[in-house]
Amino acid sequence: DARVTQTPRDKVTEMGQEVTMRCQPILGHNTVFWYRQTMMQGLELLAYFRNRAPLDDSGMPKDRFSAEMPDATLATLKIQPSEPRDSAVYFCASGFGRGFYGYTFGSGTRLTVV
Amino acid sequence: SQQGEEDPQALSIQEGENATMNCSYKTSINNLQWYRQNSGRGLVHLILIRSNEREKHSGRLRVTLDTSKKSSSLLITASRAADTASYFCATDAESGGSNYKLTFGKGTLLTVNP
Repeated sequence: DARVTQTPRDKVTEMGQEVTMRCQPILGHNTVFWYRQTMMQGLELLAYFRNRAPLDDSGMPKDRFSAEMPDATLATLKIQPSEPRDSAVYFCASGFGRGFYGYTFGSGTRLTVV
Repeated sequence: SQQGEEDPQALSIQEGENATMNCSYKTSINNLQWYRQNSGRGLVHLILIRSNEREKHSGRLRVTLDTSKKSSSLLITASRAADTASYFCATDAESGGSNYKLTFGKGTLLTVNP
């Protein structure tokens, strides 16, 4: 089965460090979402791309977060500098077009900032 | 911000019983999707219903959509212990211009007791 691959699976870092999370969408999918999941806030949409173009990143703290798609096979989410409140599970999801067959999620990156 | 809100927040039933989860949303949508998440794992797409559809079936799943009430329900029939998971509704809605995005509710935690 085709999968969305996220790396790393787990990341523990110290406050102030840069964190980069990577996502490899399913080949042929042209829509990519980044979500953050916490117990308190649930699933928050951070940013999404269609055909590699960023369409909406209004859910993302702009001063420290950035999301890019350098090519169709890679999406990245960076946090610089990281803070303890960024601790969460970060999910990437990909789909085709309007997602009328749903979106496929990766297994997530569990980030812990100490 | 969350678009969908699931009800109840938690549901505990016995194996073989039916489970019903509800979702309410605030704005007009293009489609509504249901996802399942096992503890610590990524989300899995279950079923999608378009705004011009009222009911859809897939195996033991039945989804209804009432756009006049801005609500949807997910029915799982003949539940099994393996159905134990969190269930989320997600709405695909316009986010400005010709863009659209997928936003999630906080989910219903379903526990099926053997």
